[in-house]
Amino acid sequence: GQQLNQSPQSMFIQEGEDVSMNCTSSSIFNTWLWYKQDPGEGPVLLIALYKAGELTSNGRLTAQFGITRKDSFLNISASIPSDVGIYFCAGPPAYNNNDMRFGAGTRLTVKP
Amino acid sequence: EPEVTQTPSHQVTQMGQEVILRCVPISNHLYFYWYRQILGQKVEFLVSFYNNEISEKSEIFDDQFSVERPDGSNFTLKIRSTKLEDSAMYFCASRPGTENYGYTFGSGTRLTVV
Repeated sequence: GQQLNQSPQSMFIQEGEDVSMNCTSSSIFNTWLWYKQDPGEGPVLLIALYKAGELTSNGRLTAQFGITRKDSFLNISASIPSDVGIYFCAGPPAYNNNDMRFGAGTRLTVKP
Repeated sequence: EPEVTQTPSHQVTQMGQEVILRCVPISNHLYFYWYRQILGQKVEFLVSFYNNEISEKSEIFDDQFSVERPDGSNFTLKIRSTKLEDSAMYFCASRPGTENYGYTFGSGTRLTVV
């Protein structure tokens, strides 16, 4: 099945630090999505990317769609305690645009 | 803002019992999904549903699972004979049918099989 490899698995940072996480796949994606999941809640979309090379920001979050279309990264600048949660990359398999698969997630802990 | 609503939020059931998890997708959405997340693990695709039929299902979605859209509003996931390993959060999602960014997830049902 379609595999998304996300790293790092977890991060422990100090409030105010910047964070970077990434996602890679052996296959080409047409769309990359980044979600955040708070405890006990469903995933919430943060950023959607549709074109190779695209760089998109949402407040302190910036994500890029890799030129090869096989990777993406998410940066969070000046982290705050409410950034705590699990961040997932996701995307539809290239052979089927109707479905979406998730990476394993990056668990972010921010120490005040 | 339109929401995907899931009920119940938490269900405890005995092994071997049948459970039905309910979802009300956003009303003008055309594609519906069920995902599963075992505690501490990643979100896993179970099944997608479009035009009143299953469009794709994963290897997890075996014969004990079924989905239905009985009345044009609800979208249900039935697990026929629950096993301990079915304990997980089950998320329903829907999207308009145009672009993938339109996925909206519900808050999930936590299923505990004892």
